[in-house]
Amino acid sequence: DIQMTQSPSILSASVGDSVTITCRASQSISSWLAWFQQTPGKAPKLLIYKASSLERGVPSRFSGSGSGTEFTLTISSLQPDDFATYYCQHYNVYSRTFGQGTRVEIK
Amino acid sequence: QVHLQESGPGLVKPSETLSLTCTVSGGSMGTYNWNWIRQSPGKGLEWIGYIYDSGNTNYNPSLKNRVIISIDTSKNQFSLNLISVTAADTAVYYCARERVSSGGFDYWGQGILVTVSS
Repeated sequence: DIQMTQSPSILSASVGDSVTITCRASQSISSWLAWFQQTPGKAPKLLIYKASSLERGVPSRFSGSGSGTEFTLTISSLQPDDFATYYCQHYNVYSRTFGQGTRVEIK
Repeated sequence: QVHLQESGPGLVKPSETLSLTCTVSGGSMGTYNWNWIRQSPGKGLEWIGYIYDSGNTNYNPSLKNRVIISIDTSKNQFSLNLISVTAADTAVYYCARERVSSGGFDYWGQGILVTVSS
């Protein structure tokens, strides 16, 4: 099974900061990676698919990059609505696996 | 606008079967994978499995011995049955649509909390 590991687990930042979350796969997954944002009590929201494609309607301050085993989600100029938990997720023919999550909190 | 809504009992007894239905409105069920995902209280997300409109399924290996996902395209619904539940199956259960071509769970239900307790 492919394991997905995110870092850091918790990230403290201020409004206006640029932040980066890393997701590492236990083996190469090409670009089959998505990123989600989840706020308390809500379902996750798709931000990025195929590692770097921005989902329609998602602000351009969100960007994804990477391929193979290492991926990043960058949020440029954090906004108040961006304080949430972020998950990466691998998908292939056989399975889907989520990372453990990164909570972005207000410093 | 596509909308997904989970329904089913919020309380299930240990050793019994958890049964949930997801009703899809605002779009057809073709060319998508229809997924179940769960989240234990305070924990991360766990993919349970999906079904395609043809009826083909794919399950999480850790759950495949206890899971059956079925679909009724005439009713725009798909369902989850999880047998022999324990307290470890207590979670918020989400249904979600996934694009076959590009991937990504693009539409989600609001989630339903299912508690396993006697």
